[in-house]
Amino acid sequence: DVKVTQSSRYLVKRTGEKVFLECVQDMDHENMFWYRQDPGLGLRLIYFSYDVKMKEKGDIPEGYSVSREKKERFSLILESASTNQTSMYLCASRLTGTQYFGPGTRLTVL
Amino acid sequence: TQLLEQSPQFLSIQEGENLTVYCNSSSVFSSLQWYRQEPGEGPVLLVTVVTGGEVKKLKRLTFQFGDARKDSSLHITAAQPGDTGLYLCAGRGGATNKLIFGTGTLLAVQP
Repeated sequence: DVKVTQSSRYLVKRTGEKVFLECVQDMDHENMFWYRQDPGLGLRLIYFSYDVKMKEKGDIPEGYSVSREKKERFSLILESASTNQTSMYLCASRLTGTQYFGPGTRLTVL
Repeated sequence: TQLLEQSPQFLSIQEGENLTVYCNSSSVFSSLQWYRQEPGEGPVLLVTVVTGGEVKKLKRLTFQFGDARKDSSLHITAAQPGDTGLYLCAGRGGATNKLIFGTGTLLAVQP
């Protein structure tokens, strides 16, 4: 079974803090993704990576950065968290056409 | 920008009823997927359809891809409480070939 894990299920941070969200997959997938999920908006792609040290912007990259130093790990960084970044963050990895999602991190920025 | 609109946005029904969820776009997709997301979990892939007019069945769930590959539907027969969740369609296509997710349909099946 493919397993995608995320470092935290719930996270509460203050405005201006630097936030790290970690994602690890155990199936040697090359493609990894970060989405945010908001009610009525579906999933929106923040960043994705096709290989180690490679990253590409998605549809809403502003205010975020990513890091992929190892194939199995894809990190999402909020350099200075803001209240409008309160959301559910989902990580996914992909083999051919199927995306496998982690359980999500619900981030609240106060 | 490719958009996928789902309807209805919310649906609350009784166990045993039938329902249909729609996923519509003005864009053509090379393939379309349906996911179900249960509370506290990430979405899980249910099906992928790739051919216009294609129909796939997964137990009580029937998925159809529109002839023009711009829309899709999900029909559930005799819904059960275990069907409760958020249903998401996602289309792949366009210049970037990225996966575009729909707005979601939240289904609640009451026992």
